[in-house]
Amino acid sequence: AQSVSQHNHHVILSEAASLELGCNYSYGGTVNLFWYVQYPGQHLQLLLKYFSGDPLVKGIKGFEAEFIKSKFSFNLRKPSVQWSDTAEYFCGGGADGLTFGKGTHLIIQP
Amino acid sequence: ETGVTQSPTHLIKTRGQQVTLRCSSQSGHNTVSWYQQALGQGPQFIFQYYREEENGRGNFPPRFSGLQFPNYSSELNVNALELDDSALYLCASSQGRDGTYGYTFGSGTRLTVV
Repeated sequence: AQSVSQHNHHVILSEAASLELGCNYSYGGTVNLFWYVQYPGQHLQLLLKYFSGDPLVKGIKGFEAEFIKSKFSFNLRKPSVQWSDTAEYFCGGGADGLTFGKGTHLIIQP
Repeated sequence: ETGVTQSPTHLIKTRGQQVTLRCSSQSGHNTVSWYQQALGQGPQFIFQYYREEENGRGNFPPRFSGLQFPNYSSELNVNALELDDSALYLCASSQGRDGTYGYTFGSGTRLTVV
């Protein structure tokens, strides 16, 4: 069965700090990986996705993620966070429907 | 282009009742999937429909059922509601059956079972 796990459930950072959120997947077959963000009171929005090709994927709002096949990882990064990045972040994967991790609650302190 | 719209936004039902939630997919999308998101948890995959046929199902009992219509809108039906069914129900649509282009999510229906 496919599974996705996120390492950090709560992260608190100061503005301008660098961010890395961990995500590991465990399933075979086609690798489709996503990161979604859920701002307070809003719906899930796609940050970036990976299906094939360049393992370094650029997304919206300055986010990027690197697919490392040997480590089954797809970590999300941002070099300098802003207060507006405070949100819930979900890693997900799958083809016929998405399997999500439990999410990471990110708080950016001014 | 319009996004994914779900109705109703909030709903209160009594244990044992049945409920139908509705979703209109984004224009041009032919795949719809449904998720249950309990408070503080990630969305859990219920099932997915591609061109009116179910092409994927998560670990949910048969009392969770669905339909996709020719215009690619969809319904989620839950029979014999239980207290643990209280959650945010999310609908997502995509183009193509494997989500290659990514999934667009609606704002969800908040179901409370009392």
